[in-house]
Amino acid sequence: AQSVAQPEDQVNVAEGNPLTVKCTYSVSGNPYLFWYVQYPNRGLQFLLKYITGDNLVKGSYGFEAEFNKSQTSFHLKKPSALVSDSALYFCAVRDIRGGATNKLIFGTGTLLAVQP
Amino acid sequence: NAGVTQTPKFQVLKTGQSMTLQCAQDMNHNSMYWYRQDPGMGLRLIYYSASEGTTDKGEVPNGYNVSRLNKREFSLRLESAAPSQTSVYFCASSEGQDLNQPQHFGDGTRLSIL
Repeated sequence: AQSVAQPEDQVNVAEGNPLTVKCTYSVSGNPYLFWYVQYPNRGLQFLLKYITGDNLVKGSYGFEAEFNKSQTSFHLKKPSALVSDSALYFCAVRDIRGGATNKLIFGTGTLLAVQP
Repeated sequence: NAGVTQTPKFQVLKTGQSMTLQCAQDMNHNSMYWYRQDPGMGLRLIYYSASEGTTDKGEVPNGYNVSRLNKREFSLRLESAAPSQTSVYFCASSEGQDLNQPQHFGDGTRLSIL
């Protein structure tokens, strides 16, 4: 079965410190992985994706994610957190059930709180 | 750039009432999706339309119907609303041909069923 797990409901970090938001996945075949961010009362915004190639993927707003096949993880990272990074973050994997579609399976989300 | 537009933004219904949520995209995308977002459960796919003229069930289709009116518009209908359908509903679209392109989301419809 295809799934993603975000083990932390909330992550707290001080402004200026590095941040990590964790995601693990379970897929049959090659994973196609995505990170999205949701600000209050807004829809999800795409941050970055891993399809193939380099294990370190760079995305919007200074975020990056590290794909680790042996640990089946795709953790989101940023070297120096900003208060404006406070938001809800979702990991997602492309759902290949039912043939070639662009459907996604989302994790339950992790609330990132950056304290000034 | 409008992107994905959802109407209405808020709605309160009584149990048993019907309602149609509207969604339109101006990016010439082939695929469109309807999700619901509930606390602690992330986003769950209700229905999707891989291309104009086709629709398929997602993870939680019961109690909903959809119509892909044309390439731009994809509506979601609740025929007889139930309190369990209180949620935030998101419409999204994606290019379609390139299966690895991201989805683009509207800002949601907040629906309460009393």
